[in-house]
Amino acid sequence: GENVEQHPSTLSVQEGDSAVIKCTYSDSASNYFPWYKQELGKRPQLIIDIRSNVGEKKDQRIAVTLNKTAKHFSLHITETQPEDSAVYFCAALTERDDKIIFGKGTRLHILP
Amino acid sequence: DGGITQSPKYLFRKEGQNVTLSCEQNLNHDAMYWYRQDPGQGLRLIYYSQIVNDFQKGDIAEGYSVSREKKESFPLTVTSAQKNPTAFYLCASSIGGPNSPLHFGNGTRLTVT
Repeated sequence: GENVEQHPSTLSVQEGDSAVIKCTYSDSASNYFPWYKQELGKRPQLIIDIRSNVGEKKDQRIAVTLNKTAKHFSLHITETQPEDSAVYFCAALTERDDKIIFGKGTRLHILP
Repeated sequence: DGGITQSPKYLFRKEGQNVTLSCEQNLNHDAMYWYRQDPGQGLRLIYYSQIVNDFQKGDIAEGYSVSREKKESFPLTVTSAQKNPTAFYLCASSIGGPNSPLHFGNGTRLTVT
């Protein structure tokens, strides 16, 4: 079946540094790629999404890049802050089944 | 904050019993979803419904059942046939289909002993 791989599973960065989370997908027809943030004990919330007709999207300290040829997309967080500590999930919409497939998540720790 | 309400927050059941998890939304969204979250496994789709009185199986539907009699409600029943039911269950909705952002509820943690 269709698959989304996410790396790393855990990431620790010093406060103020940048964090990058990478995902690859298997369905070359996928055209929608959202990212969700889940703080401890809370619901996942959409933080940014990108569609296949653009290569990059930015929202303040968060950016997502998409490489359709290589079938991978990445989340970039700059100037990390303590409140960025959370689990981040990437996802891709599979064209074949019209379903969102999630990666397994990355636990991001921001170190003081 | 409102939008999607899941109840209860914690649920305990004995093995062999069916249990129903509630999910209600007041966002007027057409599509609703049930996900299961296990540590290190991400979010796996159980069932989804794009319109009232219609629903489709997700990737791990075995041992679960749903109904969609009203637009705002999408209850999930965990049956005794589900071999490993202890998990965190998340309900979500979206205004369009899966190519629009998901709005999640706060989840229900089910423990079966």
